[in-house]
Amino acid sequence: AQSVTQLDSQVPVFEEAPVELRCNYSSSVSVYLFWYVQYPNQGLQLLLKYLSGSTLVKGINGFEAEFNKSQTSFHLRKPSVHISDTAEYFCAVSEGQTGANNLFFGTGTRLTVIP
Amino acid sequence: GAGVSQSPSNKVTEKGKDVELRCDPISGHTALYWYRQSLGQGLEFLIYFQGNSAPDKSGLPSDRFSAERTGGSVSTLTIQRTQQEDSAVYLCASSSSSSSYNEQFFGPGTRLTVL
Repeated sequence: AQSVTQLDSQVPVFEEAPVELRCNYSSSVSVYLFWYVQYPNQGLQLLLKYLSGSTLVKGINGFEAEFNKSQTSFHLRKPSVHISDTAEYFCAVSEGQTGANNLFFGTGTRLTVIP
Repeated sequence: GAGVSQSPSNKVTEKGKDVELRCDPISGHTALYWYRQSLGQGLEFLIYFQGNSAPDKSGLPSDRFSAERTGGSVSTLTIQRTQQEDSAVYLCASSSSSSSYNEQFFGPGTRLTVL
């Protein structure tokens, strides 16, 4: 079974500062990894995903994430945040080629960008 | 193009009543998922449909929950004899195939409040 841990429920950060949102997962099989963002009163939107290949993945809005297999982590980073990045961020995993197609989500991290 | 739509956007009901939540996936998407987002928790998988195959119901929390997908398109999630713990945002997602690496596109959700 999969599980996803997002240790930080809330992360406040000043505008133009860098940010890292942490995600760790546990799985007995290979996984695909995703970050979704949920802006206020909107649905979830895919930021980026890791399937295979390069461990550094670039997504929309200047975000990137690095897959670290040995540490079972997939932390999300942005070098300089904007007010518009204020949102809730969810890390998710799905089983790799073996089957289950549903996503297992973490509990989310609320990023608040302070002017 | 049109995204995933859900109705109603908000539903308030009394304990013990039945409710139906509707999801219209993106046209042509063969896979459809229902998730539940409870306060302070991550998204919880409920049920998954792929084409005409039998649905994966492994995430449904009790037999009060059921879902159907007519004609491979619109889906309805039904909760019978609602309880206060059913209060949550119910999210629907669709993807172009059943492969676990495919992006799932989410609707805006239905916020259910059980009084």
